[in-house]
Amino acid sequence: IAGITQAPTSQILAAGRRMTLRCTQDMRHNAMYWYRQDLGLGLRLIHYSNTAGTTGKGEVPDGYSVSRANTDDFPLTLASAVPSQTSVYFCASAGQPDTGELFFGEGSRLTVL
Amino acid sequence: QKEVEQDPGPLSVPEGAIVSLNCTYSNSAFQYFMWYRQYSRKGPELLMYTYSSGNKEDGRFTAQVDKSSKYISLFIRDSQPSDSATYLCAMSGLGGTGANSKLTFGKGITLSVRP
Repeated sequence: IAGITQAPTSQILAAGRRMTLRCTQDMRHNAMYWYRQDLGLGLRLIHYSNTAGTTGKGEVPDGYSVSRANTDDFPLTLASAVPSQTSVYFCASAGQPDTGELFFGEGSRLTVL
Repeated sequence: QKEVEQDPGPLSVPEGAIVSLNCTYSNSAFQYFMWYRQYSRKGPELLMYTYSSGNKEDGRFTAQVDKSSKYISLFIRDSQPSDSATYLCAMSGLGGTGANSKLTFGKGITLSVRP
């Protein structure tokens, strides 16, 4: 099924541990994004990538890093997880530049204890 | 003031009701306006897309943009239980999700349509 695949779907993590959330798309979209969604705060952009080989910081980038080695993959890494990073993380991609349409994955629920 | 403000809800209506969801914004550079729908434990999906001011209709859904008032609305006619979801407004100043543009989302409002 075409679209965005995120893994894991859910994870409980001890504080201080390193964690990588995986995101793969098969739509050959150039732009990809990582958002976190928190109750009362909505969707906030963490990092984005306009095309393979480039990345940029969003609204809440601290504590997170990304890479874009190829078009399909856009992993998000938490180098040393903290409880405030407990959230639902969504990966998204965009194809046509003027449609405003982001395609979202199903999300990764992360709990940091 | 946040760039995008959305009524926090939640909102509960009976089946068949007309629903009005609203967002206000402060950035006059916004030109592209969207509504996303998010079902429980799913990712958001694009529902409506509008450029600049005016109305756009798609079945039971109508999106309305008033740039002079910096106000956008989503109307749902003959609401159904299947419309129960969280609705997020989103907007951008450049070409939607083009290479250098990013969406700004409202916080979302949860709608429940009672059978």
